[in-house]
Amino acid sequence: QTVVTQEPSLTVSPGGTVTVTCASSTGAVTSYHYPNWFQQKPGQAPRALIYTTNNRHSWTPDRFSGSLLGGKAALTLSGVQPEDEAEYYCLLYYGTTRVFGGGTKLTVL
Amino acid sequence: QVQLQESGPGLVKPSQTLSLTCTVSDGSISSGGYYWTWIRQHPGKGLEWIGYIHYSGKTYYSTSLENRVSISLDTSKKQFSLRLTSVTAADTAVYYCARDSSGFPYYIDYWGQGTLVTVSS
Repeated sequence: QTVVTQEPSLTVSPGGTVTVTCASSTGAVTSYHYPNWFQQKPGQAPRALIYTTNNRHSWTPDRFSGSLLGGKAALTLSGVQPEDEAEYYCLLYYGTTRVFGGGTKLTVL
Repeated sequence: QVQLQESGPGLVKPSQTLSLTCTVSDGSISSGGYYWTWIRQHPGKGLEWIGYIHYSGKTYYSTSLENRVSISLDTSKKQFSLRLTSVTAADTAVYYCARDSSGFPYYIDYWGQGTLVTVSS
């Protein structure tokens, strides 16, 4: 059973920068895992942010960026806004199946 | 903008079958460009990928659920459906439908609002 691991929680100050990472139990995350990132606020459905490692959807603010970092997928938020407080999930592709990370609760304080 | 909407019973008895339908607002369900996907979220927990169906009828399921799950497609109604048999309390969750691209670049873009299904007698 493949497990995808994220930091359970992170805290950032408004205006700051924070990076959420996404690791795979099978080894290094590569571009062939086509990492996707989602934001979920309480009581809402997830919203897509980043796809295929580092591509923003048309509705994704520029302050969100994706990358590969040290064998993991990474989501970086720069110039964090109070409304960025949310849960963030990565999704990795393993051939015909997909696995979500456990989620990272981001607190803006 | 594509809209997806889940529908179905909010309460299912243990050992029975959970059935949900997702209605898609546009004609993309009839194109070969997407996988039509079900995802669930247990209360207070993370997201769990259940599986998907392609326009061709091909399906792929999570190994943890593959013995109990099936997904079907009705393009004439712009709908796809989830069936989960022999449910227990552990299947209580919010169920989401979503659209997943079937070719590069790979992404899940649009989601339904989700529907809570409670398994209880």
